[in-house]
Amino acid sequence: DAGVTQSPTHLIKTRGQQVTLRCSPKSGHDTVSWYQQALGQGPQFIFQYYEEEERQRGNFPDRFSGHQFPNYSSELNVNALLLGDSALYLCASSGSQDVRGETQYFGPGTRLLVL
Amino acid sequence: QKEVEQNSGPLSVPEGAIASLNCTYSDRGSQSFFWYRQYSGKSPELIMFIYSNGDKEDGRFTAQLNKASQYVSLLIRDSQPSDSATYLCAAGGSNYKLTFGKGTLLTVNP
Repeated sequence: DAGVTQSPTHLIKTRGQQVTLRCSPKSGHDTVSWYQQALGQGPQFIFQYYEEEERQRGNFPDRFSGHQFPNYSSELNVNALLLGDSALYLCASSGSQDVRGETQYFGPGTRLLVL
Repeated sequence: QKEVEQNSGPLSVPEGAIASLNCTYSDRGSQSFFWYRQYSGKSPELIMFIYSNGDKEDGRFTAQLNKASQYVSLLIRDSQPSDSATYLCAAGGSNYKLTFGKGTLLTVNP
């Protein structure tokens, strides 16, 4: 049973550039959430995608956008990168049909460094 | 601002002892609670979830929930050096997102 996968594992960008991160949910899951984890902090919720739409959004600027595809995979896009965007970006999947659909399982993450 | 608070630690216990990790939350609408373990440089790994008041046991781990006190805890019995990690407490509600604490660093000394 494949778990949550993310790509790439590491990424280095410069300020002002744009980045796209990718996530495939765990088999059987249809909901994808994205989190940002800065060093020494807990993950912060960016947004959640379900049925190809953004269902809920955290306190992040519009520079952060996303997309969900018909196969439930998802992308996170960040425009106009700032130094403060350097973090571990985590994708979590959950299944709306699960008894406890809010239980989320994390992928390995993408570590983004903005120079 | 709905928050989840944890002692950052570090919490240091000898091998074989019981490690007790605590968490409080501010949103009374929170319905589900999760404990994740995160090794350095890795992503969070789900250990346990709890939804009802009381205790829930899974192997060496016991989660405890007291909604009246807005308090969640995780007990790790017979702690092993491999349990050394940061433990993240998270609260979930009807808004689909999880709100995390900053995590508690646990060190188990051989």
